[in-house]
Amino acid sequence: EAQVTQNPRYLITVTGKKLTVTCSQNMNHEYMSWYRQDPGLGLRQIYYSMNVEVTDKGDVPEGYKVSRKEKRNFPLILESPSPNQTSLYFCASSLLPSGSGTDTQYFGPGTRLTVL
Amino acid sequence: DQQVKQNSPSLSVQEGRISILNCDYTNSMFDYFLWYKKYPAEGPTFLISISSIKDKNEDGRFTVFLNKSAKHLSLHIVPSQPGDSAVYFCAASGVYSGGGADGLTFGKGTHLIIQP
Repeated sequence: EAQVTQNPRYLITVTGKKLTVTCSQNMNHEYMSWYRQDPGLGLRQIYYSMNVEVTDKGDVPEGYKVSRKEKRNFPLILESPSPNQTSLYFCASSLLPSGSGTDTQYFGPGTRLTVL
Repeated sequence: DQQVKQNSPSLSVQEGRISILNCDYTNSMFDYFLWYKKYPAEGPTFLISISSIKDKNEDGRFTVFLNKSAKHLSLHIVPSQPGDSAVYFCAASGVYSGGGADGLTFGKGTHLIIQP
C-alpha cells in the first residue's frame, strides 16, 4: 500500500530537549515536504526536499532542521524545541514538484507535538 | 501576507443541498490549484485540482470553478452528504523563478458541516 508514515504520532516534550520526527514514504517519490498546521493559520510549509541531499527552506523554517540522506526518509529535527513549536506536523511526498501541475502531494497522518 | 485566502472558517449545509466553498488568491504566478479534504486525526487527502488554462473541472459530485480575472476559485459539492463533513483546504502552486522552496501554498481551511 502506497503511504507516507510518520513517527511518533503524538509527542509531549519539554523546552530544549532535542527531538526528531521521522517521515518515510514507499512510493519512490523525489519530492518531500514538512508542514505545520496551526489553528487559524492553515498549513504552512517548513522545509522542502527535491531529492537526496537537496533541501530548501519553506515559509516557516526557523527552529527546524531536516536531512535527506535517503530518498524514502525525510526526518524533521527540532534541536531546541520551544512552546511556540507546539503544533500538528505533516510530512508529504510527491513524484513531481507541485508547481508542475501534474501531480499531487500525499500526506502522512500527522504528528501532534506539545512542547511544555 | 496571505496569498491564498479562505474567508469562511466554517460552513453549514443541509444534506442533499449544494455546498460551495470559496477561495481567493493574490499571487498571479499561481497556475495550478487544488482542494484537499481533511478529517480529524488524518492527513489531508487530495480531492480535485484545476489548471489555470481551464475554468472548470468536474469529478463526480465535485466541481471546481476558476475565475482567473477575479483570482477566485470555488468548490461545489452536490449533493452534499454527511461524509463530506471535513475541513477543506484550498492550495495553489506555480513555477517560481529565482529559487526558493517549491511547494503548495495553503489557505486556512473551511470546516464544512453537513446537517442531516
